[in-house]
Amino acid sequence: AQKITQTQPGMFVQEKEAVTLDCTYDTSDQSYGLFWYKQPSSGEMIFLIYQGSYDEQNATEGRYSLNFQKARKSANLVISASQLGDSAMYFCAMRGGDGFGNEKLTFGTGTRLTIIP
Amino acid sequence: DAGVTQSPTHLIKTRGQHVTLRCSPISGHKSVSWYQQVLGQGPQFIFQYYEKEERGRGNFPDRFSARQFPNYSSELNVNALLLGDSALYLCASSPQGTESYNSPLHFGNGTRLTVT
Repeated sequence: AQKITQTQPGMFVQEKEAVTLDCTYDTSDQSYGLFWYKQPSSGEMIFLIYQGSYDEQNATEGRYSLNFQKARKSANLVISASQLGDSAMYFCAMRGGDGFGNEKLTFGTGTRLTIIP
Repeated sequence: DAGVTQSPTHLIKTRGQHVTLRCSPISGHKSVSWYQQVLGQGPQFIFQYYEKEERGRGNFPDRFSARQFPNYSSELNVNALLLGDSALYLCASSPQGTESYNSPLHFGNGTRLTVT
């Protein structure tokens, strides 16, 4: 079984500051993928960044980077230079390697990020 | 290109009724998944369909069923609605076809179901 833990229910950050959203995971799979999604109040889940279990370098996508520490089973999202539009729910999710075509994502409970002007 | 589209956007039903939710994947995507997101929680996996075949099922009762059509669109059906079925139902699509774990799922805006 896979499990994602997000221990920060809510965070408040000043605009233009960097913010780190925590995510730890548990799995017995050797191959897996870790994803971060952003969910604005509209409800849509917006894909932000991906990290594979065998990737040696941390993933980066624009202002988003993923701090991947495999031994500690953590995959924290770092947002640099936060903007007001970053205010949303953020979900960490995992996709396991238990067979072809498995697209089941296991999500954490999310972190509500609020950017303060 | 159009993203994943879901209909309706909002729905109010009474306990015991039946509901059908619809999803059209991104053009060229052959895999569709359904998720239930109860208020304050992360989405929970319900079903995945690929080429009209069920590829995965989450821990949901038999009241929940789904199907995929030849054009890859999908329907989620829920029978005998309970108050606890009130949630945001999200549909996601992906190209599939490769044993790859780095393909993100592309989600629609969801259908918000309220059961009274």
